[in-house]
Amino acid sequence: EAQVTQNPRYLITVTGKKLTVTCSQNMNHEYMSWYRQDPGLGLRQIYYSMNVEATDKGDVPEGYKVSRKEKRNFPLILESPSPNQTSLYFCASSTFFGSSYNEQFFGPGTRLTVL
Amino acid sequence: AQKVTQAQTEISVVEKEDVTLDCVYETRDTTYYLFWYKQPPSGELVFLIRRNSFDEQNEISGRYSWNFQKSTSSFNFTITASQVVDSAVYFCALSDGGYSSASKIIFGSGTRLSIRP
Repeated sequence: EAQVTQNPRYLITVTGKKLTVTCSQNMNHEYMSWYRQDPGLGLRQIYYSMNVEATDKGDVPEGYKVSRKEKRNFPLILESPSPNQTSLYFCASSTFFGSSYNEQFFGPGTRLTVL
Repeated sequence: AQKVTQAQTEISVVEKEDVTLDCVYETRDTTYYLFWYKQPPSGELVFLIRRNSFDEQNEISGRYSWNFQKSTSSFNFTITASQVVDSAVYFCALSDGGYSSASKIIFGSGTRLSIRP
């Protein structure tokens, strides 16, 4: 089954404790992306990746890191989480925009609470 | 700079009414893509449509239709004969990376649509 998986789905942590949210897709998609969703703000892009070893900042990259060492995986790293990073996070993947079919597939979301 | 505006924060209609969700975008690029996504109460995000800037044909898919007008920078979404299952938050999004480069995607703040039985 074609899917994007994220882990964990729920996480409660404390300020400053490094964490990683994993994202994996099995569709051989080039493009992967992380978003955060906050009430009234819609989805805001954190980082995106065009392919392996090619990442770039979205609109709200501060406080986050990503890596793309393998095509299927795109982990989101919070080196020193703060309460303002409490949010619902979505990972997504798609074929590259230049091709004919570019539906973005989203993971189920990770609800993060930073105390 | 890119911007997507969904001015309607919430809409509530009675089942079987038609409803239009507005989306206005800003971009300096001539090549760009527009998207609509649905987020039902269960929380997942569901792709509805992609439209590129060179294709101004309106799209119809069952009860759903999309009106793309470059002259007014709008990409509006209409649901005909709405049903309770259409209740969701709907997001419009824009990407202006063109054909040769990946780019940021900007989402609007969403419109919460409630369909009353």
